[in-house]
Amino acid sequence: GQSLEQPSEVTAVEGAIVQINCTYQTSGFYGLSWYQQHDGGAPTFLSYNALDGLEETGRFSSFLSRSDSYGYLLLQELQMKDSASYFCAARGRTGGYQKVTFGIGTKLQVIP
Amino acid sequence: DSGVTQTPKHLITATGQRVTLRCSPRSGDLSVYWYQQSLDQGLQFLIQYYNGEERAKGNILERFSAQQFPDLHSELNLSSLELGDSALYFCASSVAGGSTTDTQYFGPGTRLTVL
Repeated sequence: GQSLEQPSEVTAVEGAIVQINCTYQTSGFYGLSWYQQHDGGAPTFLSYNALDGLEETGRFSSFLSRSDSYGYLLLQELQMKDSASYFCAARGRTGGYQKVTFGIGTKLQVIP
Repeated sequence: DSGVTQTPKHLITATGQRVTLRCSPRSGDLSVYWYQQSLDQGLQFLIQYYNGEERAKGNILERFSAQQFPDLHSELNLSSLELGDSALYFCASSVAGGSTTDTQYFGPGTRLTVL
């Protein structure tokens, strides 16, 4: 089967660093994606990790450890506009089909 | 503006009915993804098509079906609608098939209300 776990809520201070963790159980695992969604808006794709290690894109970085079935999204120099929900999603293969499963989403609140 | 268009923006219908949601991907993108987002279940991946072929599936109900046409636009068909199908339906597109690093661009969504 496929399942992902991530915290439901995180609060962090403006200017600080926050890490949002995601653990997954995914058969035939291909990779882990992260999405950002502001209230009332469409999701925005942030990153995709297929290989172990850290991928950096500006203030956002994403990490994957395939051996630990674990990844995280790191947001640096937090800004108020980073307040949003963040979803991890795992792509895998089950019974000849590729499947994509999302976590419940982590609601990040950035406070002054 | 992501370049992905979805129609209609809003749809109100009754239980038991059938509706079709339409998505036009960004120019040059071969993959189309469909997602459902409801208040109590978060973002759910439904299905992906790549160049007309089904590529990946999520927890898509048997009452739902989709297809991608030769011009690469896609339609999501929802039948025998139930109250619980009320949700925001997003379409996304990407250049490639998705098993490698592949940015997805989301449309604005179709809000479906089933009464």
